[in-house]
Amino acid sequence: GQQVMQIPQYQHVQEGEDFTTYCNSSTTLSNIQWYKQRPGGHPVFLIQLVKSGEVKKQKRLTFQFGEAKKNSSLHITATQTTDVGTYFCAGPPMIYNQGGKLIFGQGTELSVKP
Amino acid sequence: DGGITQSPKYLFRKEGQNVTLSCEQNLNHDAMYWYRQDPGQGLRLIYYSQIVNDFQKGDIAEGYSVSREKKESFPLTVTSAQKNPTAFYLCASTHRVFTGELFFGEGSRLTVL
Repeated sequence: GQQVMQIPQYQHVQEGEDFTTYCNSSTTLSNIQWYKQRPGGHPVFLIQLVKSGEVKKQKRLTFQFGEAKKNSSLHITATQTTDVGTYFCAGPPMIYNQGGKLIFGQGTELSVKP
Repeated sequence: DGGITQSPKYLFRKEGQNVTLSCEQNLNHDAMYWYRQDPGQGLRLIYYSQIVNDFQKGDIAEGYSVSREKKESFPLTVTSAQKNPTAFYLCASTHRVFTGELFFGEGSRLTVL
């Protein structure tokens, strides 16, 4: 079946270090979405990328969507303790008979040591 | 304020009992979803509904049932047939079925004793 794989599963960094999580889909996605879930909380939408090769920035966060629309990355520059949480990528397959449901990656759990 | 409300937040159940988790949204969204999250894992789709009176099974529908009688409401019943029901359950909605972002409720944590 269709899968979205995320690596790494866990990442521990010192505050101020950079962090990157990668997302790879077995099928072409119509768009890629990123969510953040704080410990004990619920996922919150961060951003959506639609175009092949698209790059978007939100302050210290940089999001990329691959040329083939099958992979994506999230890069955080100079992590802060407020970045702690699990980051999920998700995307709807291009095959619309899937009903538009999102396929989620397993998430990357980020911990930041002050 | 618009949003999604899930209740209860915490629920304990004895084996063999059915429980119903409530999900209500006032965002006027057509599509609603139920996800299950287990520790250290991603979100797995249980059921989704694109419109009132219609719903489809997700990837792990066995042992669960839903209804969508009103646009605002999408309750999930965890039946006794669900072999491992202890989990964190998340309800979500979106205004655009194929490309829209998901808005999540705060979740319901079910523990089977």
